[in-house]
Amino acid sequence: LAKTTQPISMDSYEGQEVNITCSHNNIATNDYITWYQQFPSQGPRFIIQGYKTKVTNEVASLFIPADRKSSTLSLPRVSLSDTAVYYCLVGGDSGGGADGLTFGKGTHLIIQP
Amino acid sequence: DTGVSQDPRHKITKRGQNVTFRCDPISEHNRLYWYRQTLGQGPEFLTYFQNEAQLEKSRLLSDRFSAERPKGSFSTLEIQRTEQGDSAMYLCASSPRTSASGTSYEQYFGPGTRLTVT
Repeated sequence: LAKTTQPISMDSYEGQEVNITCSHNNIATNDYITWYQQFPSQGPRFIIQGYKTKVTNEVASLFIPADRKSSTLSLPRVSLSDTAVYYCLVGGDSGGGADGLTFGKGTHLIIQP
Repeated sequence: DTGVSQDPRHKITKRGQNVTFRCDPISEHNRLYWYRQTLGQGPEFLTYFQNEAQLEKSRLLSDRFSAERPKGSFSTLEIQRTEQGDSAMYLCASSPRTSASGTSYEQYFGPGTRLTVT
């Protein structure tokens, strides 16, 4: 079973706020939630990480409800350059070793003018 | 600021040949990861090191693949007797910290080595 589930693709427009939700029903107590962004022919780039509640940095916000079974990456006022694939990862060193290092297929976000 | 570097950036080889890739992580990072990525798929975990110790290998990693990190700094990934199915982008990443109760998984990726096996 995939450890995370996220939409395959999403479309939005410049200037809009985009929210990408990731489901992780089997998240373990010690697991963190991490989001990456990837452009074609480049390695993924770390965006944000959280454990619970809300985390915000200069790029995005991450909302995690109390049950931690899902998380939402929020990108404010997107631009064309935010067109990329976004990956949600869940994992930690809690006996699972590298099991959390599963990127899945990610969400292909397309921003239109 | 020196990020993760990988060499070469592109490699074309004939089926049956051996290839070796190098990864230089961010200097203070003690964890180093190798991934493989094919078109339309997310990165697939291959193996990772903490310092010079190889802590885990993916069950998908065949015996033709081997990785080393002899002094806990740079790492090499070798593929022996390459097959056309090995054609992919090989990504290296490093991580700045670990903890007893859970890693941060804040990985910094290199630009990748694109392998084409003809």
